[in-house]
Amino acid sequence: DAKTTQPPSMDCAEGRAANLPCNHSTISGNEYVYWYRQIHSQGPQYIIHGLKNNETNEMASLIITEDRKSSTLILPHATLRDTAVYYCIVRLLSGGSNYKLTFGKGTLLTVNP
Amino acid sequence: SAVISQKPSRDICQRGTSLTIQCQVDSQVTMMFWYRQQPGQSLTLIATANQGSEATYESGFVIDKFPISRPNLTFSTLTVSNMSPEDSSIYLCSVESAGGQFFGPGTRLTVL
Repeated sequence: DAKTTQPPSMDCAEGRAANLPCNHSTISGNEYVYWYRQIHSQGPQYIIHGLKNNETNEMASLIITEDRKSSTLILPHATLRDTAVYYCIVRLLSGGSNYKLTFGKGTLLTVNP
Repeated sequence: SAVISQKPSRDICQRGTSLTIQCQVDSQVTMMFWYRQQPGQSLTLIATANQGSEATYESGFVIDKFPISRPNLTFSTLTVSNMSPEDSSIYLCSVESAGGQFFGPGTRLTVL
C-alpha cells in the first residue's frame, strides 16, 4: 500500500502557483519524499525529492513540514503543459532492498486557461 | 538523469501470443525495474532486474508469465507470455540512477 495520501484532483489557473499537498504521517527517519508526474500516455517524470529541508530546482519547490508528516509541491507559475497526475512517494534514497516506488493514485492537476 | 528508450512503443497482439519489450539505457545501471500500468490505474511494479542475477518478482507476478532478461548493464527485456486481453496495459522500464528512478516512455500493449 502507498504510504502517502493525496487529494484526487485539483484545479489551477494558468500562470498561478499550484500547491499540491501530500500527507505521509508514517514516514520513517531515513525515508525521502519524492515527487513524480505523469502526463497522459507518457512515462512518469521525476520532479524533485527531499529529506527534511526545503528543496528547489528548475521545475518546482518542495516544502516539507518540520515534523516531516506532510509536504507540498509548488509549481510557481503553472502552464497548460503542467496538467498531469502528480505522485508523492516516500522511499529510501539508496541502499538496502527498498528501491521500489509504490505509486498511489496521485493528484490529477488540471491547469485551466 | 539516464535516458531510456523502449521498443516497441506500442503493439496490438493476438490472444495466446507473446511479446518481448526491449529497454535500452544510455548509461550503465545496476538496478532496472519493470512496471505495469493498466488502463485508468496507477503503476504497479512487476519485477526488479539486476545484472547477473535472477529477477525478483512482486506478489502476483511470476517468471513463467513475465520472463525477464538482463544481459548487461544497459539493456533488459520483458516478455509478456501467452497474452490475454487482461494483459492490455502500458509496460514501463525504469532505472535507478543518481538517487532516483527514471522511467522510459512505455510500451502500450493491446491484446485482442
